Amino acid sequence: KAGVTQTPRYLIKTRGQQVTLSCSPISGHRSVSWYQQTPGQGLQFLFEYFSETQRNKGNFPGRFSGRQFSNSRSEMNVSTLELGDSALYLCATRQGQGNQETQYFGPGTRLLVL
Amino acid sequence: GEDVEQSLFLSVREGDSSVINCTYTDSSSTYLYWYKQEPGAGLQLLTYIFSNMDMKQDQRLTVLLNKKDKHLSLRIADTQTGDSAIYFCAESMDYKLSFGAGTTVTVRA
Repeated sequence: KAGVTQTPRYLIKTRGQQVTLSCSPISGHRSVSWYQQTPGQGLQFLFEYFSETQRNKGNFPGRFSGRQFSNSRSEMNVSTLELGDSALYLCATRQGQGNQETQYFGPGTRLLVL
Repeated sequence: GEDVEQSLFLSVREGDSSVINCTYTDSSSTYLYWYKQEPGAGLQLLTYIFSNMDMKQDQRLTVLLNKKDKHLSLRIADTQTGDSAIYFCAESMDYKLSFGAGTTVTVRA
């Protein structure tokens, strides 16, 4: 099976712009989670989707949003970018809806905001 | 709430064993995980343990769980240069993973 894929892998934006990141889960996986990784804050949970429904959301401002499509692919959007949004954005997927199921991570999208 | 803590750095000689420690505070976590991150890469799942287990062994990896003290450890036997990476422990609750800050393991010849 192909792994989790994320596009694009690298992105450079300027302050005030918006950005959309994409995540394609492992075939058959229906849950998609997003995490932000920065040197200062480490790995922080953004949100989780299952069957197109957001089930949990982390402590991020409303500029960060996401959605999931019927084929389980997910996108996250960040509007009005700030310098502090520069980070590695990781997507993780799992097969079912159970809390105990293992999450598998993609390679990430590295976003640089200038 | 959840709060996962790890020591930040570990230096080990090639061939020796590495032990990475982690503490967590949410006693209702049912699964605890170890992930590995190499430079420029995403997170690779190494192993996990269910909270009703005390130990799990998987080739060179041994996970020990002390649920009473909320302490988790990862032992890597015969550490190799390819084991140099950042190791994260994580607990799973409410459909999300809460991570520690990561332990940077450096393997020296």
